This record gives sequence, structure tokens and C-alpha cells, in this order.
Amino acid sequence: DAKTTQPTSMDCAEGRAANLPCNHSTISGNEYVYWYRQIHSQGPQYIIHGLKNNETNEMASLIITEDRKSSTLILPHATLRDTAVYYCIVRVGGGNTPLVFGKGTRLSVIA
Amino acid sequence: GAVVSQHPSWVICKSGTSVKIECRSLDFQATTMFWYRQFPKQSLMLMATSNEGSKATYEQGVEKDKFLINHASLTLSTLTVTSAHPEDSSFYICSAKEQAMTQYFGPGTRLLVL
Repeated sequence: DAKTTQPTSMDCAEGRAANLPCNHSTISGNEYVYWYRQIHSQGPQYIIHGLKNNETNEMASLIITEDRKSSTLILPHATLRDTAVYYCIVRVGGGNTPLVFGKGTRLSVIA
Repeated sequence: GAVVSQHPSWVICKSGTSVKIECRSLDFQATTMFWYRQFPKQSLMLMATSNEGSKATYEQGVEKDKFLINHASLTLSTLTVTSAHPEDSSFYICSAKEQAMTQYFGPGTRLLVL
């Protein structure tokens, strides 16, 4: 069972920042927060992951609250190509534990 | 990021035939590979986990005799859907990781069984 809660859908205006929230109130101390997205009819694409510190890469920023019970994925300047389903997943780092997908958030970027 | 490929990208077959899907890690050695399937408007469902040289571990409800998984090398895993039926029509996605690496996904294979 997925251990995260995400809104079903969100809209964002093109060029604006998209802020996607995720609740993971039962996260364990050794579990990381991973974000993936799936554009229609493609395999999931890795975006970013973090343990407790905020992280940033060329795609997005990940903000994790101090108590680690929630996080926000930020796409700083959304484009139409960012329209996808975004999945927030918690999992222990390393090892062979697979990613378990919930329903995710369907982000629609609107021109 | 690391690249995972799948072949074929789509396949149409007759009911009762078997279909093999290949998954390759192109620029890393995948100690573990995963197979998922996704039905329309649903999320990805994990089917099985395989480690190189070992038997696959199947999720509850997934028939191991119907979905044969072989992970013969550190860069190749195959999923064979045996005696396929229309209800097996789905989007099959493989994923691979190396030890502490992030898990990367292939582009998926769309199977249609007539």
C-alpha cells in the first residue's frame, strides 16, 4: 500500500511555479522521499529524491518539512511538457525494495 | 540519468500465443530489475522483483507460471507472457537499479492480445 497522500489533480499556468504537495506522516527515519512523473503512455521518469534536507536539481526542487511528515515538489517555471502524473513515493534507500506507486497527482499545465 | 530500454515498444498477438518482452540497462549493471504493469487510467502495479541469477519474487496474485521472468545477466531481464489472453492486454514497464542507485524505468511495452 502506498504510504503517501497526494491531491488527485492540479492546474498550473504556463511559466508559473508548480507546487505539488505530498503527505507522508508515517515515514520512517530511514525512508527517503522520491518523486517520479509519468507523461502519457511513457515509463515513469525520475525527478528527485531526498532524506531530510531540501534538494535541488535541474528539473525541480524538493522541500521536506522539518518533521519529515510532508514535502513539496516545486517545478520553478512549468511548461506544457510538464503536464503529467506526478508520484510521491517513500522508500528505504539502497537495497532491493521496489517503488510502490500510489495514484499520484495529475498536473495540467495550461497555456 | 541511467538509461533502461525495452523491446518491443508495442506488440499485438493472438490469444493463446506467448510474448517475450526484453528489458536492458544500457549504461549500468542492474543487480535488481522490477516488472510492473499498468491498466488504463490506473497506477503502476508491481508484478515481480528479480535479482541477477536468482528466481524472481512475484507479488501476490501474479501467476509465476504465466509471467515467466528471467534475469540472466546484469544488463538483461525478460518477461514472457505465456498463453496470452485478452485480459493480459496492458502496458508492461520494467525498471532497474544497481545497489544503492536510484530506480530507473524503461519506456514500456504495450501489449494487445486479440
